Amino acid sequence: DQQVKQNSPSLSVQEGRISILNCDYTNSMFDYFLWYKKYPAEGPTFLISISSIKDKNEDGRFTVFLNKSAKHLSLHIVPSQPGDSAVYFCAATTTSGTYKYIFGTGTRLKVLA
Amino acid sequence: GAVVSQHPSWVICKSGTSVKIECRSLDFQATTMFWYRQFPKQSLMLMATSNEGSKATYEQGVEKDKFLINHASLTLSTLTVTSAHPEDSSFYICSADPLLGAQHFGDGTRLSIL
Repeated sequence: DQQVKQNSPSLSVQEGRISILNCDYTNSMFDYFLWYKKYPAEGPTFLISISSIKDKNEDGRFTVFLNKSAKHLSLHIVPSQPGDSAVYFCAATTTSGTYKYIFGTGTRLKVLA
Repeated sequence: GAVVSQHPSWVICKSGTSVKIECRSLDFQATTMFWYRQFPKQSLMLMATSNEGSKATYEQGVEKDKFLINHASLTLSTLTVTSAHPEDSSFYICSADPLLGAQHFGDGTRLSIL
C-alpha cells in the first residue's frame, strides 16, 4: 500500500516558468511533510518542509502548499532554472513516535534552457 | 549545515561476501539513524531504524539476519549485508535525525554483487 504517491513520474518545464510537483498521501496521521531533491548517485537534499498546522511555506523560489482535506501537497518552483533538473521526492511523517519518513516514488523534473 | 557521511560510496564484490556500510553524523549526535534502499526508478524504501545503544527496528519484509545494523555510538551506525547475493545489489542510503528539522542524508552506497 503506497501511502505517499507522486503520480507524475516526469515533468518538463521551460526555464523561467513555474514547475509544479504534486504529491498525495493516504494516512491522516501524517503531520509533517518534506520535499527532497536528488541527483543520481547522491543522497537526497532537503528543500522545504511544512507542518500540518500550516497550508503554505515559502523559501525563496520554493513554495510548498498543503491541502489537508484533500491529502495533497504540491511544490512550486518559480522561476525554474536548469540546475533544478533532478528527481524530487515528497516525504511524510508523524512527529510522534519514531519520526520515520515515507517517501513518494519521485518526479523527475527537467528544466529546459 | 549538518552533514552525514556514508562510506564506501561504491562496492563491487563476489556473491557470498559480507559488506559493511558506515554512516556517520559529522557535526551532530544522532540517537536515531535510518537505512533506506532504493531500486532503479523507485522510491526510497525504509529498511530499518537504527537506535543508539539498542536493537534496530526493522520494517516488515526486511530480513534482520541479512541486514545487520549496529549503532554503537551517537555518531556512527553500520549496515552489514551478510552473505550478499546479486539480488542484494542496490543503492543503500542512510539518514540521521538531528532532532529538529529534517533528516540529513548520506550520499549513498551503490552495492553491486557479482
